[in-house]
Amino acid sequence: GQQLNQSPQSMFIQEGEDVSMNCTSSSIFNTWLWYKQDPGEGPVLLIALYKAGELTSNGRLTAQFGTTRKDSFLNISASIPSDVGIYFCAGPSGGSNYKLTFGKGTLLTVNP
Amino acid sequence: GAGVSQSPSNKVTEKGKDVELRCDPISGHTALYWYRQRLGQGLEFLIYFQGNSAPDKSGLPSDRFSAERTGESVSTLTIQRTQQEDSAVYLCASSLIGTGPGYTFGSGTRLTVV
Repeated sequence: GQQLNQSPQSMFIQEGEDVSMNCTSSSIFNTWLWYKQDPGEGPVLLIALYKAGELTSNGRLTAQFGTTRKDSFLNISASIPSDVGIYFCAGPSGGSNYKLTFGKGTLLTVNP
Repeated sequence: GAGVSQSPSNKVTEKGKDVELRCDPISGHTALYWYRQRLGQGLEFLIYFQGNSAPDKSGLPSDRFSAERTGESVSTLTIQRTQQEDSAVYLCASSLIGTGPGYTFGSGTRLTVV
């Protein structure tokens, strides 16, 4: 089936630094989603991308839908301690618009 | 309710026992999903309910797993004869229509099989 590869697996940064993470696939996705999961909670949708080349921002977060439709990037600017968590990319797979495939996540740690 | 509610939040069970996990979706949400999250892994799709349509059970890993939903409300995920590899967080989500971006996840049930 379709798989999503996220990198890096983990990041340790200082408060105030910018962060960049990415997600790649061997097959095309028509929608890219970025979620954040806090400890003990379910994932929360951060940004949804629907068009190749699309660049979308949500506060300090910016995500891009790669032009090949096989990758996506998430950037966080001026990180703060509450940015700590696991960031997942996801996309509809298996020919459906409801069944999501998730990457394994990027664990972000922010040192104050 | 205001969000997706799952119970119990934690469950420890002995290998071979059956367990039942419960999900209360957001009121009015017609679509309901179950996902499994193993330690250090992404979420794996298990099953999808949409209204009165036949559920999509394509993600259930074995016949020990089953799920039911009463109308457009509560859903239960049952795992029979639990095995250690069933240890994971089981997440439920709901949405107004069956599209990915509309998901709201619950906090999950952490299942530990000893």
